[in-house]
Amino acid sequence: DADVTQTPRNRITKTGKRIMLECSQTKGHDRMYWYRQDPGLGLRLIYYSFDVKDINKGEISDGYSVSRQAQAKFSLSLESAIPNQTALYFCATSERMAGGELFFGEGSRLTVL
Amino acid sequence: AQRVTQPEKLLSVFKGAPVELKCNYSYSGSPELFWYVQYSRQRLQLLLRHISRESIKGFTADLNKGETSFHLKKPFAQEEDSAMYYCALSGSARQLTFGSGTQLTVLP
Repeated sequence: DADVTQTPRNRITKTGKRIMLECSQTKGHDRMYWYRQDPGLGLRLIYYSFDVKDINKGEISDGYSVSRQAQAKFSLSLESAIPNQTALYFCATSERMAGGELFFGEGSRLTVL
Repeated sequence: AQRVTQPEKLLSVFKGAPVELKCNYSYSGSPELFWYVQYSRQRLQLLLRHISRESIKGFTADLNKGETSFHLKKPFAQEEDSAMYYCALSGSARQLTFGSGTQLTVLP
């Protein structure tokens, strides 16, 4: 199932570098999300977008920015990566009235040295 | 604010034994509760939602508003149930808040 695709799948970078994680979807969903997963902390919401012109901060947006280039594309950027941003990042989509069913990508594992 | 608590990070049971994964929530309104599952090398996916009142793969979950709980239960665990399970809550902002997850291992 390649409906929600994340690139890159794995990335190792150094402190201070700019990193972009990209997400594209073929499901035709309006809503897109970025979460990070850390052991013992579960998934935490970074940013979400209900449509191209509607972008909102989530629980842990500091140090991150996003761009919704089109309905199908939602990118997450780390302007100056730091080691505590080492995590597994997930993109997800949902329909407008889905009531909570998210469709996830396979995840992007980022390591900041 | 909305919050989801899963008190057990790890849970091990033997095949055929009953299993219960605990989930408690805090939310001032009427929540929608969900269980998501992540099997090894697979994507995180929806397992069930409380409004459907359905049983999926033998799992059920009942919303108890008095105890603010939404525990996931299965009477007879199978080895293929081994996975990471996340409880999640959707509030008025239609965002999903996830718990910290419980890694279930079903032993042979």
